[in-house]
Amino acid sequence: DVKVTQSSRYLVKRTGEKVFLECVQDMDHENMFWYRQDPGLGLRLIYFSYDVKMKEKGDIPEGYSVSREKKERFSLILESASTNQTSMYLCASSSPPSPFGVGAYEQYFGPGTRLTVT
Amino acid sequence: GQNIDQPTEMTATEGAIVQINCTYQTSGFNGLFWYQQHAGEAPTFLSYNVLDGLEEKGRFSSFLSRSKGYSYLLLKELQMKDSASYLCAVFGGGYNKLIFGAGTRLAVHP
Repeated sequence: DVKVTQSSRYLVKRTGEKVFLECVQDMDHENMFWYRQDPGLGLRLIYFSYDVKMKEKGDIPEGYSVSREKKERFSLILESASTNQTSMYLCASSSPPSPFGVGAYEQYFGPGTRLTVT
Repeated sequence: GQNIDQPTEMTATEGAIVQINCTYQTSGFNGLFWYQQHAGEAPTFLSYNVLDGLEEKGRFSSFLSRSKGYSYLLLKELQMKDSASYLCAVFGGGYNKLIFGAGTRLAVHP
């Protein structure tokens, strides 16, 4: 079974703090993704990575950065947390090996981190 | 632009059949996924359609019409544990990205 784990289920941070969310997958997947999920808006893609040290902006990258130093680990960084970043953050991983590959493969999701910024 | 529409909420009775519709307009199309998400949990994969027609998997079936930009998820013999959100997602728009709808929250009553 594919396993995607996230460092925390619940996190409370103060405005202005730097926040790190960690995600680890154990299936040797090339692609990894960070989403946020808000009521009525569905899942929105923040950043994704299709290889070590590679990253691409998703639909809502502002206020976030990412790091992928190892294939199995993808980190989301909130440089200076703000209250509008209070949300559920979901990490996912998938094959195929290239973002330009034909076909589609399911994404496997982690359990999510519910972040509250006060 | 990219747009995926599905109803916000639906209710159904245990043992019945329910159909959740999804319409999409995206710049590319390389398949459509349905995910199930129970409250407070991660989305889990239900089905994938890339060709027109019906895909059946036990109590769940999914249908796709690419020319109409339309899909539905059919749940038969509903059980209480089917109460969850159902997410429609299109694989397209370049760069191997999934575009998600806002989800349909299904409540199954006895």
